[in-house]
Amino acid sequence: AQSVTQLDSQVPVFEEAPVELRCNYSSSVSVYLFWYVQYPNQGLQLLLKYLSGSTLVKGINGFEAEFNKSQTSFHLRKPSVHISDTAEYFCAVSRWDTGFQKLVFGTGTRLLVSP
Amino acid sequence: KAGVTQTPRYLIKTRGQQVTLSCSPISGHRSVSWYQQTPGQGLQFLFEYFSETQRNKGNFPGRFSGRQFSNSRSEMNVSTLELGDSALYLCASSLEQGEGYTFGSGTRLTVV
Repeated sequence: AQSVTQLDSQVPVFEEAPVELRCNYSSSVSVYLFWYVQYPNQGLQLLLKYLSGSTLVKGINGFEAEFNKSQTSFHLRKPSVHISDTAEYFCAVSRWDTGFQKLVFGTGTRLLVSP
Repeated sequence: KAGVTQTPRYLIKTRGQQVTLSCSPISGHRSVSWYQQTPGQGLQFLFEYFSETQRNKGNFPGRFSGRQFSNSRSEMNVSTLELGDSALYLCASSLEQGEGYTFGSGTRLTVV
């Protein structure tokens, strides 16, 4: 079975500072990796995904993530955050051999951006 | 194009009642999944449907069921509601493998 660990439950950061949200996963088979963002009272929005190929993945809103197979990590980064980035961020995996029929989510990281 | 639409947005039910939630996927999407989100358990997979067939099911009791219609719209039903069923229920749809799921805004169910 797959599992996802988001190491930080909350990350406070000042506006225009860089940020990294950490995600580690475990799986006995190859996986697809995703980052989603959830704003208050809303559903989940896909930020970016890694399926194969280049290990550096660029997403929406200036976010990027790097897949590191040896470290089993998929950390999310942004070089300069805005107040509007305040939200909850979820890392998720799905098994490669079954496509993405089932997403296993981490517990989420709350990003708090202050002026 | 229109996103994933879930109705209703909010629902209050009494213990022991049953409830049906509806999800209209993005046009052309044939895969629909349901997730339950609670503060204690986080996001948990309920089930996934493709072309009216349930392909995958999570670890939930039989009180939780779902179905998908020929137009890909999906419903989930929870019978004999318990207080612990209070949650945000999220529906997600996908066109094909590799695209990633698009989520709706969810239905917030409160059981009193």
